[in-house]
Amino acid sequence: DVKVTQSSRYLVKRTGEKVFLECVQDMDHENMFWYRQDPGLGLRLIYFSYDVKMKEKGDIPEGYSVSREKKERFSLILESASTNQTSMYLCASNRHGSTEAFFGQGTRLTVV
Amino acid sequence: AQSVTQLGSHVSVSEGALVLLRCNYSSSVPPYLFWYVQYPNQGLQLLLKYTTGATLVKGINGFEAEFKKSETSFHLTKPSAHMSDAAEYFCAVRPNQAGTALIFGKGTTLSVSS
Repeated sequence: DVKVTQSSRYLVKRTGEKVFLECVQDMDHENMFWYRQDPGLGLRLIYFSYDVKMKEKGDIPEGYSVSREKKERFSLILESASTNQTSMYLCASNRHGSTEAFFGQGTRLTVV
Repeated sequence: AQSVTQLGSHVSVSEGALVLLRCNYSSSVPPYLFWYVQYPNQGLQLLLKYTTGATLVKGINGFEAEFKKSETSFHLTKPSAHMSDAAEYFCAVRPNQAGTALIFGKGTTLSVSS
């Protein structure tokens, strides 16, 4: 089975902190994605990557950056966390040419 | 740009009743279509998908969906609801081209009462 693992289920950070959310997949997938989920807004794409060191902005990249130094790992970075970044963050991956994406369990981030 | 509209943020049914969750998409060409389910404090799990071929697609847990190109719809149904079906359901599309991500609707929360 495909496994997408997010390093933390719950995180509490202070305003202004630099925050790293880590995601690892074990199926050699080329594509990886970061989504943000908020009630009533569904899932919105923050960034995605289709290869090592490659990244593409999604619909809401402001306030975020990403890093993909290795194929299996895709990190989401909040340079200076703000309260409006309190949310559920979901990582996903799939293979080039594949249709569906496989999701991690999510990280619920609270910024206080 | 492609978009997905899920009609009804909340749907309530009785156990044993028909489940119907509505999804419409906007696209100039038929995309790939998906339904995902999310149980509380969990990630998303694929229920079913349409890529090509038969327009009636069967998924897990007794769910099915029909792709109707003329209506740009992909509604999810289940003949008889079970208490365990209570969850949030997301319709998603993926443009039929390389290097693209899934685009999600806002979700529909399904409640099932006994």
